[in-house]
Amino acid sequence: AIQMTQSPSSLSASVGDRVTITCRASQDIRHGLGWFQQKPGKAPNLLIYAASSLQTGVPSRFSGSGSGTDFTLTISSLQPEDFATYYCLGDYDYSWAFGQGTKVEVK
Amino acid sequence: QLQLQESGPGLVKPSETLSLTCTVSGDSISSSGYYWGWIRQPPGKGLEWIGCIFYTGSTYHNPSLESRVTISVDTSKTQFSLRLTSVTAADTAVYYCARLQYYSGSGSFPDYWGQGTLVTVSA
Repeated sequence: AIQMTQSPSSLSASVGDRVTITCRASQDIRHGLGWFQQKPGKAPNLLIYAASSLQTGVPSRFSGSGSGTDFTLTISSLQPEDFATYYCLGDYDYSWAFGQGTKVEVK
Repeated sequence: QLQLQESGPGLVKPSETLSLTCTVSGDSISSSGYYWGWIRQPPGKGLEWIGCIFYTGSTYHNPSLESRVTISVDTSKTQFSLRLTSVTAADTAVYYCARLQYYSGSGSFPDYWGQGTLVTVSA
């Protein structure tokens, strides 16, 4: 089974900052990675699928990159509504696993 | 508009079986290109993958839970279900059902989620 290691576990940032979150897979998962945003009390929301494809309706300030074992989520200019927790989800050969999450907090 | 709704007991006794149902409306559960999955989140903690099912009945489980998990689908009722046996306090969590969209060659990811239901394991 795959395992996903996400970092950092938390970060502090200001509105307008560029934010980067990384996820590493325990084996080559090609482009099988998604990124989710979760706000308190709500279900997660899919931002990026297939490592770099933007889900419909998601602002273009969110982008994903990477393949194989190393992946990155970038928020180009942090907005007030982006303070939340972010998770990666790896998928390979009918095995799925979430990263531990990254909480983006106000600096 | 696709909607998913979890239902089931909010309180389960230790050693008993947790049973939840997800009712899907607004789309066919028999559509190819989708899986139907369960994810959970203990209070204050991260997300944990439980497993998923294809409408044909093929299932895929988290190996750490596999011996206790059963996922089934009832296409006539547009529902799929989760059973988790021998529960302990560690199984206390918000349980989400979700639709997974299949992206050819690039995996399957939850794009629609239920609102989640809190299940507490306690005597």
